[in-house]
Amino acid sequence: NAGVTQTPKFQVLKTGQSMTLQCAQDMNHNSMYWYRQDPGMGLRLIYYSASEGTTDKGEVPNGYNVSRLNKREFSLRLESAAPSQTSVYFCASSGSNTGELFFGEGSRLTVL
Amino acid sequence: LAKTTQPISMDSYEGQEVNITCSHNNIATNDYITWYQQFPSQGPRFIIQGYKTKVTNEVASLFIPADRKSSTLSLPRVSLSDTAVYYCLVGDSPYNAGNMLTFGGGTRLMVKP
Repeated sequence: NAGVTQTPKFQVLKTGQSMTLQCAQDMNHNSMYWYRQDPGMGLRLIYYSASEGTTDKGEVPNGYNVSRLNKREFSLRLESAAPSQTSVYFCASSGSNTGELFFGEGSRLTVL
Repeated sequence: LAKTTQPISMDSYEGQEVNITCSHNNIATNDYITWYQQFPSQGPRFIIQGYKTKVTNEVASLFIPADRKSSTLSLPRVSLSDTAVYYCLVGDSPYNAGNMLTFGGGTRLMVKP
């Protein structure tokens, strides 16, 4: 099993451009999460989805939108990228039986 | 949400036992305590989870006092490969889906030869 898969792994954008980060999990988990991690810092929660069809804001949702397309997929969109959004983005999922978070490998985004 | 406080960094030597304490003074009745490990350029990885007293698995032990306002992750006989950042999370019962799980700053553990 692949677990949690994120695409792309690397992306460079210019200020004002838009892009979507894709995340898919094959563990039949209900809950999915998007975090960002700035250099030398901890993870901050952007948005999360308790189940298909629901999404909620996390600690730092401004400048982002999400879509829970189906149970497997949870995408993160930057409508107008800013240099402050330069970060590594991690997607995670969890099943309701243990609550353990399973993370993807991360997507490194640079906004010039 | 229960806020967590951990030491920013710790140093140790190979073969020693390392104890990392996390403070969570406003933990709620339904909250569980979970620890994650993160290596550079990787996503965090689950280590251990507990509600009260002591939990032990093949890699670590978790000690939680009766008042649950703190917890201690214990790593026995660390090796160089245990150099990583360790995060303490406090969140609602893992049996409830979709909890707002937030990470603090973590503790950067450096294991020296």
